[in-house]
Amino acid sequence: QSALTQPASVSGSPGQSITISCTGTSSDVGTYSLVSWYQHHPGKAPKLMICEDTRRPSGVSNRFSGSKSGNTASLTISGLQAEDEADYFCCSYAGTDTPYVFGTGTKVTVI
Amino acid sequence: EVHLVESGGGLVKPGGSLRLSCAASEFTFSTYPMNWVRQAPGKGLEWVSSISGSSRFIYYADAVKGRFTISRDNAKNSLYLEMNSLRAEDTGIYYCARDLDPQNYFYGMDVWGQGTTVTVSS
Repeated sequence: QSALTQPASVSGSPGQSITISCTGTSSDVGTYSLVSWYQHHPGKAPKLMICEDTRRPSGVSNRFSGSKSGNTASLTISGLQAEDEADYFCCSYAGTDTPYVFGTGTKVTVI
Repeated sequence: EVHLVESGGGLVKPGGSLRLSCAASEFTFSTYPMNWVRQAPGKGLEWVSSISGSSRFIYYADAVKGRFTISRDNAKNSLYLEMNSLRAEDTGIYYCARDLDPQNYFYGMDVWGQGTTVTVSS
């Protein structure tokens, strides 16, 4: 099972919107509605931002939203803030042999 | 507050063994599937292993199958990862993480520990 493909980096100015893509296959992202997204500040515990493709867990800012089309999921951050600067990873259910497969990760920079 | 604390990391020689522990608090540990996820230096997150609440269902990544063993002790609210035949490529930060939904597996991981560092080097 190969890692899901994400852009290495995405940047934006404060207040802008950015979108991070996560491309998988028909064996994972394209078949199951179980894509999750994590924010990771180095040295800290990762934080769940989106689950089940589009659901925002309690306590997560509504500036974060998830979507999916075919084999590609996306995370959009609206109203970009300095505190959003972090690494972001997507993850998908990929079947009983390899339940979880993570994306390659995207570094978000607020310029 | 729901909490996970990993321990047991350290420096070990190639071919050696380590046992990681994860102590859980402030939630009904026995009902939740649990996971180990690692991050090699400069790399992304990598799922390692998962275990159901009852330990009936266990899953491993191909990279660790046959070398690592996941287990849990619900009476002690603890998760473990026994790592044998360690390789340099096993070096990284190891996180334990709780599955989001005790009724539906693999919906995501909503609680994470701070991680414990494993270094495999001669």
